[in-house]
Amino acid sequence: AQSVTQLGSHVSVSEGALVLLRCNYSSSVPPYLFWYVQYPNQGLQLLLKYTSAATLVKGINGFEAEFKKSETSFHLTKPSAHMSDAAEYFCAVRKDTGRRALTFGSGTRLQVQP
Amino acid sequence: DVKVTQSSRYLVKRTGEKVFLECVQDMDHENMFWYRQDPGLGLRLIYFSYDVKMKEKGDIPEGYSVSREKKERFSLILESASTNQTSMYLCASSLGQASGNTIYFGEGSWLTVV
Repeated sequence: AQSVTQLGSHVSVSEGALVLLRCNYSSSVPPYLFWYVQYPNQGLQLLLKYTSAATLVKGINGFEAEFKKSETSFHLTKPSAHMSDAAEYFCAVRKDTGRRALTFGSGTRLQVQP
Repeated sequence: DVKVTQSSRYLVKRTGEKVFLECVQDMDHENMFWYRQDPGLGLRLIYFSYDVKMKEKGDIPEGYSVSREKKERFSLILESASTNQTSMYLCASSLGQASGNTIYFGEGSWLTVV
């Protein structure tokens, strides 16, 4: 079965610093991977997704993620953090073939310090 | 834009009450989902539906049931609410079978069972 692990439940960065949120997946077949963001008291919004077309995926709000098969990773990065990036971020993988739901990691809360 | 609307943002119910959480999507999506979100656990799938009157159990279906009488509407039912069902509930929808398809989320319903 496919699953994802997010390393670090809380990450704190200074405004303008690099953001790196880690996600590792386990999958017996090439996975479809997603990053979602959740702002306080809101639902989840898609940031970006990997669907095997390109290993470097660019998303909204300046975020990008690189699919690395050798490392089974799909880490999310942003070169320069902004105060508005403070939110919770979830990595997700599409489950086994035939199931349409996503399996989510436990989430990483990003704090941005002024 | 896809819109997934959850009818109640905040509910307080008593132990033993029957609770209905309603969700409507406006994009003619085949698939609809109910997730539960708890701190440190991420999102966990309760049920999903891939067609009218069709449903599949997710990872944590115990204590819940669902109803999908119309394509645009998916209801989550707690037959007899318990305090351990206090949580944030997220409804979502997606189009078709393709594994790369995005899942779109509603804003969530905060349920407190007292």
